Amino acid sequence: RKEVEQDPGPFNVPEGATVAFNCTYSNSASQSFFWYRQDCRKEPKLLMSVYSSGNEDGRFTAQLNRASQYISLLIRDSKLSDSATYLCVVNALQAGTALIFGKGTTLSVSS
Amino acid sequence: EAGVTQFPSHSVIEKGQTVTLRCDPISGHDNLYWYRRVMGKEIKFLLHFVKESKQDESGMPNNRFLAERTGGTYSTLKVQPAELEDSGVYFCASSLAPSGLRGEQYFGPGTRLTVT
Repeated sequence: RKEVEQDPGPFNVPEGATVAFNCTYSNSASQSFFWYRQDCRKEPKLLMSVYSSGNEDGRFTAQLNRASQYISLLIRDSKLSDSATYLCVVNALQAGTALIFGKGTTLSVSS
Repeated sequence: EAGVTQFPSHSVIEKGQTVTLRCDPISGHDNLYWYRRVMGKEIKFLLHFVKESKQDESGMPNNRFLAERTGGTYSTLKVQPAELEDSGVYFCASSLAPSGLRGEQYFGPGTRLTVT
């Protein structure tokens, strides 16, 4: 079983749509959770951290369910510029150590 | 402020040759990480330096890979001898301790390695 699993997609949505991505992780000891964004042939960039209480950053909302070991990302009012691969990422250990990546979910927003 | 830089951006070598990748982290970042993405797979951790010390090298695939960070500044990752399965994109990332807990690792643009 992979440590972090995501639906690879692609998700093809029109501008203005709401889209949700899900992710599950296998290590119940995982402490920190994130969504990274990666544009084609570019480096991953942190989109947002995910907290147990859920958190929102503009059009983006992230949720964490520790009991189910499940993470989600909701994007509202999709923009063309949201087209990218969204990586679910977990940090299992203490500060400053390795990130464990999912394979990513590809989103394509069209006009 | 300059971001993480990596050199070269692309490298094409033949099986059996040696390649050295370089990473310059963000100035002042003690934590430096190497990751690799093989085609069709997820990004995988290789190793972690804190200053010049190897904190965790559990992700290094085998002894053909050697990473160094002399002086605690830039790092090199040498592959010798290279094999076909070493092809992929090698990312370097850095972070300010203790910001690593928040996942704020800043990635470089990567080195695309092709072994033929």
